Amino acid sequence: EAGVVQSPRYKIIEKKQPVAFWCNPISGHNTLYWYLQNLGQGPELLIRYENEEAVDDSQLPKDRFSAERLKGVDSTLKIQPAELGDSAVYLCASSPGGGRDTGELFFGEGSRLTVL
Amino acid sequence: AQSVTQPDIHITVSEGASLELRCNYSYGATPYLFWYVQSPGQGLQLLLKYFSGDTLVQGIKGFEAEFKRSQSSFNLRKPSVHWSDAAEYFCAVGAWGNTGKLIFGQGTTLQVKP
Repeated sequence: EAGVVQSPRYKIIEKKQPVAFWCNPISGHNTLYWYLQNLGQGPELLIRYENEEAVDDSQLPKDRFSAERLKGVDSTLKIQPAELGDSAVYLCASSPGGGRDTGELFFGEGSRLTVL
Repeated sequence: AQSVTQPDIHITVSEGASLELRCNYSYGATPYLFWYVQSPGQGLQLLLKYFSGDTLVQGIKGFEAEFKRSQSSFNLRKPSVHWSDAAEYFCAVGAWGNTGKLIFGQGTTLQVKP
């Protein structure tokens, strides 16, 4: 069974440029999460989807960050424009959802962003 | 405020020695507690979790953790460390029904000496 797939693994951009990250969750997982991991810190939740609905986006900086999960499967996280402080690892995770959760989140390998 | 504290940023142990990683939490509701491990360049993997019941929980790779409500702690232990255990370890807390919204500690980096 394939795990959570993220791309790109690494991205280097100039500040003020846009960037997008893509995530494909484990097949059949209804819940998808985007977490932000700054260097030397633990992950912090940005947004959580139940199918195509964003049920918790309270930590998403909406002035420059956006996310979508149009068909309730894969998801894209966008930053426009990027700032120096956005350099971090963006982690995607999924879980079964729909009452099937055991508390475990399944994480992808992350997308490491460097903003110059 | 809800928070998780991992007091040790970096720990070095010799291969074969025992290990204990500390985790303290502050959480308003009944906590659900987790330990995740992150190897370099890899995603986080669940080691073990505590929801209720026996306060000593067993996980994968020979790890165990003990929930102590009176101390608000959930320390991770392993009797004999292997070189492959070198990684970063994260303690996290969440609430049932909202377990996806985990609050993570800042992590402890484990180095294993041969």
